[in-house]
Amino acid sequence: GAVVSQHPSWVICKSGTSVKIECRSLDFQATTMFWYRQFPKQSLMLMATSNEGSKATYEQGVEKDKFLINHASLTLSTLTVTSAHPEDSSFYICSASFRGPESASQYFGPGTRLTVL
Amino acid sequence: AQSVTQLGSHVSVSEGALVLLRCNYSSSVPPYLFWYVQYPNQGLQLLLKYTTGATLVKGINGFEAEFKKSETSFHLTKPSAHMSDAAEYFCAVSDADYKLSFGAGTTVTVRA
Repeated sequence: GAVVSQHPSWVICKSGTSVKIECRSLDFQATTMFWYRQFPKQSLMLMATSNEGSKATYEQGVEKDKFLINHASLTLSTLTVTSAHPEDSSFYICSASFRGPESASQYFGPGTRLTVL
Repeated sequence: AQSVTQLGSHVSVSEGALVLLRCNYSSSVPPYLFWYVQYPNQGLQLLLKYTTGATLVKGINGFEAEFKKSETSFHLTKPSAHMSDAAEYFCAVSDADYKLSFGAGTTVTVRA
């Protein structure tokens, strides 16, 4: 149980284009989804938290106009990297949680490798 | 504010030997503590967690961790390392909003 998928698993794009990454909870309803960024051999940095039906809350230093997050349903959140540049190349990981006794637990997707040329 | 310190960015053990990964935390609220494992180019898999109750927590793959409030520690152990344990391990603490703060990670290599 508690499976989270991400699509695509990897993407290569040209500088200036926008890229959308999907995060889906496959067997539960995710009331909260989190988006992280991970640079090579580094830890995960939280970018934003999104609750279904409301605007995402971004961490300090994360440009909300560049990283657009939509959480339109209880099973889907999307991250759009707008006008991507090489410095946006990274590993993006989402996670999801749900209300109840296990609210503290986050279930992670497999990640999306973004390379911007 | 929550923070996590993982002592040792790299641990090398022999197959069959004890694995010990150290984690210390700071938290302004009673902590929820987690250990995750990450294999190359993959997401994170939960090994175990402490929320309340018993301070010795058993997880998957033979791992366990002990919450010691007096030492603000949550060290991860496994009695006998297996080659498949080679991976990156992250300790994390959550705040009241369940946002996770991760340590820098510890890379475990297992020698045959």
